[in-house]
Amino acid sequence: DAGVIQSPRHEVTEMGQEVTLRCKPISGHNSLFWYRQTMMRGLELLIYFNNNVPIDDSGMPEDRFSAKMPNASFSTLKIQPSEPRDSAVYFCASSFRGTSYNEQFFGPGTRLTVL
Amino acid sequence: AQSVTQLGSHVSVSEGALVLLRCNYSSSVPPYLFWYVQYPNQGLQLLLKYTSAATLVKGINGFEAEFKKSETSFHLTKPSAHMSDAAEYFCAVTEGGSARQLTFGSGTQLTVLP
Repeated sequence: DAGVIQSPRHEVTEMGQEVTLRCKPISGHNSLFWYRQTMMRGLELLIYFNNNVPIDDSGMPEDRFSAKMPNASFSTLKIQPSEPRDSAVYFCASSFRGTSYNEQFFGPGTRLTVL
Repeated sequence: AQSVTQLGSHVSVSEGALVLLRCNYSSSVPPYLFWYVQYPNQGLQLLLKYTSAATLVKGINGFEAEFKKSETSFHLTKPSAHMSDAAEYFCAVTEGGSARQLTFGSGTQLTVLP
């Protein structure tokens, strides 16, 4: 059974370019989370979806960030335009909302470097 | 509002020694608690979880944690450290129900010395 799949694993881009990160959650899961991890700020929740609907995007740093989930098996996180301070590891996680707790399964992450 | 505090951003132990990583939580309702481990260049992996059943929870790789409501703690322990335990460990809390978000602590980097 495949876990959460993220692509690309590494992305190097120049300031001002558009960056799109992709995530495929575990089949059957109905909640999806995007996190950002940096040395300075640790692990931050950016946005999460339930049944493909964005529930809380209060963690999205600014309008340059946007996330979509067009169907249950795919989500994107887009940064446009990118800035050097966006350099971080971005994680996608999924869970099954049927449980009362919220065990999340994480993907391997995308390491983004903005030059 | 829920929150998690991990005491000690770096912990070093000798191989074979006891591992103790501290986690204290704050929650307005009975919480669900988790420990995740992150190996270098990898995502987070669930070690164990407390979901209001037994207060002593056993996880993978010989780790266990005890939920202590009176101390609002959920410390992670392992009797004998192995070199392969070197990683970063995150404690997380959720209040469950409609609040589906996990709140993570700042992490503790565990170093195992030979």
